Amino acid sequence: KAGVTQTPRYLIKTRGQQVTLSCSPISGHRSVSWYQQTPGQGLQFLFEYFSETQRNKGNFPGRFSGRQFSNSRSEMNVSTLELGDSALYLCASSFGSAVPGRYTDTQYFGPGTRLTVL
Amino acid sequence: QKEVEQNSGPLSVPEGAIASLNCTYSDRGSQSFFWYRQYSGKSPELIMFIYSNGDKEDGRFTAQLNKASQYVSLLIRDSQPSDSATYLCAVTARGAQKLVFGQGTRLTINP
Repeated sequence: KAGVTQTPRYLIKTRGQQVTLSCSPISGHRSVSWYQQTPGQGLQFLFEYFSETQRNKGNFPGRFSGRQFSNSRSEMNVSTLELGDSALYLCASSFGSAVPGRYTDTQYFGPGTRLTVL
Repeated sequence: QKEVEQNSGPLSVPEGAIASLNCTYSDRGSQSFFWYRQYSGKSPELIMFIYSNGDKEDGRFTAQLNKASQYVSLLIRDSQPSDSATYLCAVTARGAQKLVFGQGTRLTINP
């Protein structure tokens, strides 16, 4: 079974530009979560999508947005890039459930997109 | 207080010994607990998850959970140089898909 794929793997942008990152989940997985990883802040949750709906959102500014398509593929967008947005952006997929149970599904991470903002 | 705390290390363990990694969390409502391993320049890969108090074993790995003490640990038996990596503890609240990660413990296994 193919794993989570993310494109592109590397991106270099300049301040003020915007960027779109793409994630294809494991086949059959309907939940997609996005995380930002930096040396200073570690891994931080951005948002989670299930059935094209954003269900959870982390503490990030509105410049960070996302969406999910009917085939569960997801994109995240960062507008008006800042130097501090340089990070590894990770997508994780899981089966998910329309009515979350007590326990959290295991999340499997993609290889990430390394974004550098100059 | 951070939500999930880990000793950042580095933790140095001789080959063949037991490596013990610890994690504490602040939210008493936490229900699901995960350990991920991350090699330098790579993404996190799942090692184990645990939901209930006690021990859970998988090969050379044992996860231990004590909800009363808000403590979860990972033991690696017969440590190998290939186990050298950063180990991330992650915790979630009831039913939530939001993983809250610790800063990670860097583990080095010395041949």
